[in-house]
Amino acid sequence: VQLVESGGGLVKPGGSLRLSCAASGFPFSTYTMNWVRQAPGKGLEWVSSISSNSVAIYYADSVKGRFTFSRDNAQNTLYLQMNSLRAEDTAVYYCTSAYGGYWGQGTLVTVSS
Amino acid sequence: DAVMTQSPLSLPVTLGQPASISCRSSQSLVRSDGNTYVSWFQQRPGQSPRRLIYKVSNRDSGVPDRFSGSGSGTDFTLKISRVEAEDVGVYYCMQGSQRPLTFGGGTKVEIK
Repeated sequence: VQLVESGGGLVKPGGSLRLSCAASGFPFSTYTMNWVRQAPGKGLEWVSSISSNSVAIYYADSVKGRFTFSRDNAQNTLYLQMNSLRAEDTAVYYCTSAYGGYWGQGTLVTVSS
Repeated sequence: DAVMTQSPLSLPVTLGQPASISCRSSQSLVRSDGNTYVSWFQQRPGQSPRRLIYKVSNRDSGVPDRFSGSGSGTDFTLKISRVEAEDVGVYYCMQGSQRPLTFGGGTKVEIK
């Protein structure tokens, strides 16, 4: 099983980033998937979930209206479009399977001027 | 939202001795399907979290049997029967019974 995140980096407040997560080694198209983030030195925070067929998508209140979670089951890939970024969005972003059985290595997003 | 409160925040343990971490939910975590979706994660320094326990008491593949989970309703516990040096890290509980998923604040396990 592998989950490989990419797309993180340094962005100015108000800017945008698109994270990707490439999955392999398990039946990706049948799994609900999540994004979970961890601010520097802090705990884990759920960000968003997407059902296997993309019918149900949920967001934390802190990102609702700014982040968009999507998936491409043909490409075994997740996407997190992050707009209107704020300093408090600075964190390592992990893609995970539904109940946390699989985690990626994370990608660091830094929002700073 | 189901708030998950972990204790203690820090747990210094002597090698070979047991350790216990508590996680209390603000709401019952028994889902309508009868299952209770509480998991425990270990995060070693500089690494991604790794799940140890799912659905309260089921060990994930490859997890040493010195780790065990128990509990019901709103109170859950992770026990390490004999702490080893490789167990150093931060441990988190998580509930998946209700939306949104919520995590405990973490317990840092260190060797005395």
